[in-house]
Amino acid sequence: DADVTQTPRNRITKTGKRIMLECSQTKGHDRMYWYRQDPGLGLRLIYYSFDVKDINKGEISDGYSVSRQAQAKFSLSLESAIPNQTALYFCATSDLGDRGYEQYFGPGTRLTVT
Amino acid sequence: QKEVEQNSGPLSVPEGAIASLNCTYSDRGSQSFFWYRQYSGKSPELIMFIYSNGDKEDGRFTAQLNKASQYVSLLIRDSQPSDSATYLCAVVSWGKLQFGAGTQVVVTP
Repeated sequence: DADVTQTPRNRITKTGKRIMLECSQTKGHDRMYWYRQDPGLGLRLIYYSFDVKDINKGEISDGYSVSRQAQAKFSLSLESAIPNQTALYFCATSDLGDRGYEQYFGPGTRLTVT
Repeated sequence: QKEVEQNSGPLSVPEGAIASLNCTYSDRGSQSFFWYRQYSGKSPELIMFIYSNGDKEDGRFTAQLNKASQYVSLLIRDSQPSDSATYLCAVVSWGKLQFGAGTQVVVTP
């Protein structure tokens, strides 16, 4: 089984709808992250959490919210989806290891807002 | 100015040749640097981590770091078609990873 899972893997929704993307991990890491990826722009950080009680905004948090339900679960919500939130979304986890705070990525969720 | 800059490519490399990828960063306090490989539609996977000035080799990959010049590079020796992917440079800045936009590498037979 994958260490970092994301659900759903693909989602098509309409403008104005509220949706939630979920991330679960079995790596036992405290740190979790949500990124979005757009063509030509690389990965941009939306929110991150260094432990269950610590939630921080990233560089592009407007229009998004998160919930850290447990060490293993970190959810991303779009309160009112808009077309420019169409992107590939990745969840990641990290902890201090031999390769610093290496991040381990989930498989991604492809979101389309029409 | 972006915090992490890479040439977008595509970088076309003949099979068996060396691919050379460059990355510059703006935060002089950055201490850790990563190279991720990402196949189209897939998640990034770590291929190199470096934190000391100089070269670090792992198989066909060599990472080079020059903190004074704020420059990190990746060399791929004996390039194979399976190396065709986008390579993301990432820099730890204020406890978070800052990613470059990535360089697309295309290895031609």
